[in-house]
Amino acid sequence: QVQLQESGPGLVKPSETLSLTCTVSGGSVSVSYYWNWIRQPPGKGLEWIGYIYYSGTTNYNPALKSRVTMSVDTSKNQFSLKLISVTAADTAVYFCARAKPLSSNGRWSPNWFDPWGQGTLVTVSS
Amino acid sequence: QSALTQPASVSGSPGESITISCTGTNSDVGGFDYVSWYQQHPGKAPKLMIYDVSKGPSGVSNRFSGSKSGNTASLTISGLQAEDEADYYCSSYTSGSSFLLFGGGTKLTVL
Repeated sequence: QVQLQESGPGLVKPSETLSLTCTVSGGSVSVSYYWNWIRQPPGKGLEWIGYIYYSGTTNYNPALKSRVTMSVDTSKNQFSLKLISVTAADTAVYFCARAKPLSSNGRWSPNWFDPWGQGTLVTVSS
Repeated sequence: QSALTQPASVSGSPGESITISCTGTNSDVGGFDYVSWYQQHPGKAPKLMIYDVSKGPSGVSNRFSGSKSGNTASLTISGLQAEDEADYYCSSYTSGSSFLLFGGGTKLTVL
């Protein structure tokens, strides 16, 4: 079955760029699913960051849109997240997850998320 | 946009049934049948338990069921077991700019 695994630095300095990669195994990233990043600050709830499709199409949470870039590398079966100008508020466990797309009134969106990666804690601190 | 509203905590004894609510608006929960529920044990990734309001993924116990009435979706767990103790999150598609919303999470305690 499809499995996802996050990787990247666990510590990032304030004002710098957070970079994470999700490696997909047991299946191809080049299928009709959306590949997502979701984060969870310590002791808090989930926040959807955005998704990328294998074609390169992206959509981001408006609250983070100005700082987020996602990319996909189909040859490596990976997709990535970059979040610029980080602050302590960006400290969280970052999950990657596959989502079934839905279409409503001509707008495409992630629907349900399955599977998820195990998550990786990124701490923003000097 | 505001997160969906869930109770902070619920509890029940083994064998009992409990229900967790998830309240939104007619722009999200009430307007579409795209509500999903996730179970999260401490230190673990969320696990999909229900999708499209009431559908259960393969491999998930049929003790878990979902429903919706108006702007409120519900997750019911019957025959509570100790292993059900976890945090539960709802999610819904929204016609707003955010694409989708999560609830704030509910901590289930099995007494």
